[in-house]
Amino acid sequence: DGGITQSPKYLFRKEGQNVTLSCEQNLNHDAMYWYRQDPGQGLRLIYYSQIVNDFQKGDIAEGYSVSREKKESFPLTVTSAQKNPTAFYLCASSGRRAINEKLFFGSGTQLSVL
Amino acid sequence: SQKIEQNSEALNIQEGKTATLTCNYTNYSPAYLQWYRQDPGRGPVFLLLIRENEKEKRKERLKVTFDTTLKQSLFHITASQPADSATYLCARNNNDMRFGAGTRLTVKP
Repeated sequence: DGGITQSPKYLFRKEGQNVTLSCEQNLNHDAMYWYRQDPGQGLRLIYYSQIVNDFQKGDIAEGYSVSREKKESFPLTVTSAQKNPTAFYLCASSGRRAINEKLFFGSGTQLSVL
Repeated sequence: SQKIEQNSEALNIQEGKTATLTCNYTNYSPAYLQWYRQDPGRGPVFLLLIRENEKEKRKERLKVTFDTTLKQSLFHITASQPADSATYLCARNNNDMRFGAGTRLTVKP
């Protein structure tokens, strides 16, 4: 089945620790996105990538890093510089000309701080 | 700055009535607007896309309108059912998809 897979579903971070959230898609999509969602709030854009080896900061990139070495994969690292990392993280993908293409979302990763 | 806003945080309606959700945008003119549904603990799911030169788009019990004069999109669910209870998000795309905060719809039996 084609789709977008996020793992793990739940993740716990200790103080000062970096953690990496996985996002893999087999839809052959060029564009991939990372969003953060806090309880009762909308989606805020962290990073996005329109093509392999290229990515841009979204509205809340501080304390996060990404890589796009393969078309299928767009991992997100939550660094120790992110002081309030507890949130629901969503990965999405779409065709390259995303201006008129819908996003396909993964099922999300809930990150909590120990 | 470019903004996309959904005015109502929550909307409660009775089963069978029409739900109307509002999405406003400021400081830009999007060529397209999209609407998504999100259930608790899940990723959003695409529902409808409307172009700026389309006044209205329909899909089963769903209808979306796009008013470029008012800078507003309305999302309607007719003959609402309890299963329609969810958060509905509008979004605009300039190659960096931005979402509104969402409206949580509750349909009561």
